[in-house]
Amino acid sequence: KQEVTQIPAALSVPEGENLVLNCSFTDSAIYNLQWFRQDPGKGLTSLLLIQSSQREQTSGRLNASLDKSSGRSTLYIAASQPGDSATYLCAVRPGNKLSFGAGTTVTVRA
Amino acid sequence: NAGVTQTPKFRVLKTGQSMTLLCAQDMNHEYMYWYRQDPGMGLRLIHYSVGEGTTAKGEVPDGYNVSRLKKQNFLLGLESAAPSQTSVYFCASSYDEKLFFGSGTQLSVL
Repeated sequence: KQEVTQIPAALSVPEGENLVLNCSFTDSAIYNLQWFRQDPGKGLTSLLLIQSSQREQTSGRLNASLDKSSGRSTLYIAASQPGDSATYLCAVRPGNKLSFGAGTTVTVRA
Repeated sequence: NAGVTQTPKFRVLKTGQSMTLLCAQDMNHEYMYWYRQDPGMGLRLIHYSVGEGTTAKGEVPDGYNVSRLKKQNFLLGLESAAPSQTSVYFCASSYDEKLFFGSGTQLSVL
């Protein structure tokens, strides 16, 4: 069974600092990996999708890398802002269903 | 464009009561999903559907039933609610491997 882990569970940084969020998974046989953002009381919003053949994806200040062989992905958020405060979840797709991590809750202090 | 709409947003049930959660999407997506989210855990898949008239079990299907009579709607039923079903329920639809989530239903079973 695929296990997805996100450490730490919570993170607090001052505004302007770069954020580094980690995701690890136990089975490297995946089709893709997605990063999501969840705001309090809201659903998830897809941020980045990395196919298994790709090493990274970028969107604006966000960059996600994927190392399938080591079972790891990292989400980088450059020059963090208070509006980046949210919970970030990663999910891997080993088959036709996603396996989610529990998320990292980020607080960016003004 | 409404996207994925869930009703109701909040519900309190007594043990043994039944209820139905409604999910509607206006994006003409084939795939739809029901997840539950519990504190400290990732989203867990309850049931999913790959098209109108089809349903399949996910990771935690016990105590739930679903129906997909129309392409745009995916219903989740609890026949006899239990306290262990207290959770936040999310519906999602997908296209091209990207998921689109509703805003969730907070369900408490007393």
